[in-house]
Amino acid sequence: DAMVIQNPRYQVTQFGKPVTLSCSQTLNHNVMYWYQQKSSQAPKLLFHYYDKDFNNEADTPDNFQSRRPNTSFCFLDIRSPGLGDAAMYLCATSPSRGGFYEQYFGPGTRLTVT
Amino acid sequence: AQTVTQSQPEMSVQEAETVTLSCTYDTSENNYYLFWYKQPPSRQMILVIRQEAYKQQNATENRFSVNFQKAAKSFSLKISDSQLGDTAMYFCAFMIWDSGGGADGLTFGKGTHLIIQP
Repeated sequence: DAMVIQNPRYQVTQFGKPVTLSCSQTLNHNVMYWYQQKSSQAPKLLFHYYDKDFNNEADTPDNFQSRRPNTSFCFLDIRSPGLGDAAMYLCATSPSRGGFYEQYFGPGTRLTVT
Repeated sequence: AQTVTQSQPEMSVQEAETVTLSCTYDTSENNYYLFWYKQPPSRQMILVIRQEAYKQQNATENRFSVNFQKAAKSFSLKISDSQLGDTAMYFCAFMIWDSGGGADGLTFGKGTHLIIQP
């Protein structure tokens, strides 16, 4: 089945040690999003790609970076994770931007920082 | 900036009952979309229902319907004949309608944990 895949599902990293989370999709969608969902909080948009065009949210920390080498893959890089970066990270895709288009979510990667 | 508020952290009802989840939002925009997403335990978030702000008619999808009150900025979700499989976290979400295609992602509320009891 076509879907959004996130690897790994659970990731443990050490304080300050760079970590990369992966998202892939078989839907051939143009837009890919990264959301951060901390415990008991609303998911929060970090950034999104519209094709190769990168769009960063104004309040996304510089510690967070993203790469999209091709249509299918998108990576979230956390350069120096802090304890406050422990969260569920959700990847989503959409055929195009705008509310007319449904967003399809992956199962998420739960990041623990020790 | 847009905000979405879900005032019920958790709700519990018996199977086959009807339940209503509340959501209010704040925006200065006139054209936008509202959504309810469902996140079952350990599974991905899926779209339940969507409402375009310019439509006065409330959206319905089988057992799911909304009560959209634009003036009051209220967007509640009603689940009829609730089933065990409806147990999940439910998120209310908002997106600006941008005809230029420049809209950003979803703004979510904190969610309501709905438990359907057998």
